[in-house]
Amino acid sequence: DVVLTQTPPTLSATIGQSVSISCRSSQSLLDGDGDTYLNWLLQRPGQSPQLLIYSVSNLESGVPNRFSGSGSETDFTLKISGVEAEDLGVYYCMQATHAPLTFGSGTKLEIK
Amino acid sequence: QVQLKESGPGLVQPSQTLSLTCTVSGFSLTSNSVHWVRQPPGKGLEWMGGIWGDGSTDYNSALKSRLSISRDTSKSQVFLKMNSLQTDDTAIYFCTRWVTTTANYFDYWGQGVMVTVSS
Repeated sequence: DVVLTQTPPTLSATIGQSVSISCRSSQSLLDGDGDTYLNWLLQRPGQSPQLLIYSVSNLESGVPNRFSGSGSETDFTLKISGVEAEDLGVYYCMQATHAPLTFGSGTKLEIK
Repeated sequence: QVQLKESGPGLVQPSQTLSLTCTVSGFSLTSNSVHWVRQPPGKGLEWMGGIWGDGSTDYNSALKSRLSISRDTSKSQVFLKMNSLQTDDTAIYFCTRWVTTTANYFDYWGQGVMVTVSS
């Protein structure tokens, strides 16, 4: 199974600060069709996960554009440009290139 | 609008079978895929398996021997059955819709149902 390693495990930020989360894959996530199926989700406290970004860098409808994703093959990054209070929660990367679908272990964002 | 809602028992005894229902609205099960993802308390997410629009299923190999996913399209319901439950199956169980038209991702999630395995 593909292992996704997220760093850091926890992140503390002030409002307005920009932060980045890394997700490294044990295998290339480049599919045979040329797409890379790496997604980012946010799970706010007590809520279900919600999709932020799909296929590395595509912003889901309704998600603020302070969120951005980048990367390729095995190294991916989620950036939040100007953290807001509502951004607190646990961020997960998830790959859908290889079966079974797997998730990273999560990065908890705390607001100082 | 698209909605998914899980239902089922909150408490299951060890070695017994878990039965959960995901009732969906706002989309058709014959042209969409629904999956189950679980989350042990304070831990991360684990994909369990799913059922596709054509009725075929896929399972996480780690659970395949214990897991069955089925559906009733007339009732817009997807079912999860997992046998031989143990305490480490205690988790929140989510159903979620899978999108494959432009990419591969879960776009809508249910609120989740907490299942505790305990005698």
